[in-house]
Amino acid sequence: NAGVMQNPRHLVRRRGQEARLRCSPMKGHSHVYWYRQLPEEGLKFMVYLQKENIIDESGMPKERFSAEFPKEGPSILRIQQVVRGDSAAYFCASSPPFRTDTQYFGPGTRLTVL
Amino acid sequence: SQELEQSPQSLIVQEGKNLTINCTSSKTLYGLYWYKQKYGEGLIFLMMLQKGGEEKSHEKITAKLDEKKQQSSLHITASQPSHAGIYLCGADIDGNNRLAFGKGNQVVVIP
Repeated sequence: NAGVMQNPRHLVRRRGQEARLRCSPMKGHSHVYWYRQLPEEGLKFMVYLQKENIIDESGMPKERFSAEFPKEGPSILRIQQVVRGDSAAYFCASSPPFRTDTQYFGPGTRLTVL
Repeated sequence: SQELEQSPQSLIVQEGKNLTINCTSSKTLYGLYWYKQKYGEGLIFLMMLQKGGEEKSHEKITAKLDEKKQQSSLHITASQPSHAGIYLCGADIDGNNRLAFGKGNQVVVIP
């Protein structure tokens, strides 16, 4: 059973470009969570999604950031007009529908904004 | 403010020695999770504790959650170089599946 997959593993963008980060949950998992790990800081919750629904986006910056988890395909975290402060490791986690108390993490996408 | 405090921030031990790291919350925890992260990599799930007084073990790693569910310790017996990494504690602070994390305990094991 493959684990949570994220791609790309490394992403370099120039200021003002868009970044798209993808997350494929573990097979059978219908809940996806995105976290951000800034340099020298701990992991911070961003958003919690189920298929086609955003359950909790209380950790998402108000502007430029959006997330989706469509019926088919991976979850996407989209950052528009990136700035240097967006440079971080972005982790996705997933959990099964009846065991949301355990989250399994992917390897992360390391975003560098030049 | 940091919701979870981890101590010590970093720890260097000789191979074969035991070590203990701690995670403290100012709030009662709905669930406490321990993960391990190697530099530049993802998080590996170690174990989850939910009940006050609960203790779980996996190989040489034992984690406990105190009775009041506000502090957890992780103990490694006879440490090996493979135990090196950053140990993160995460907690469901409000029961809404949002995990809050501490800044981590960096463990270095010297052969």
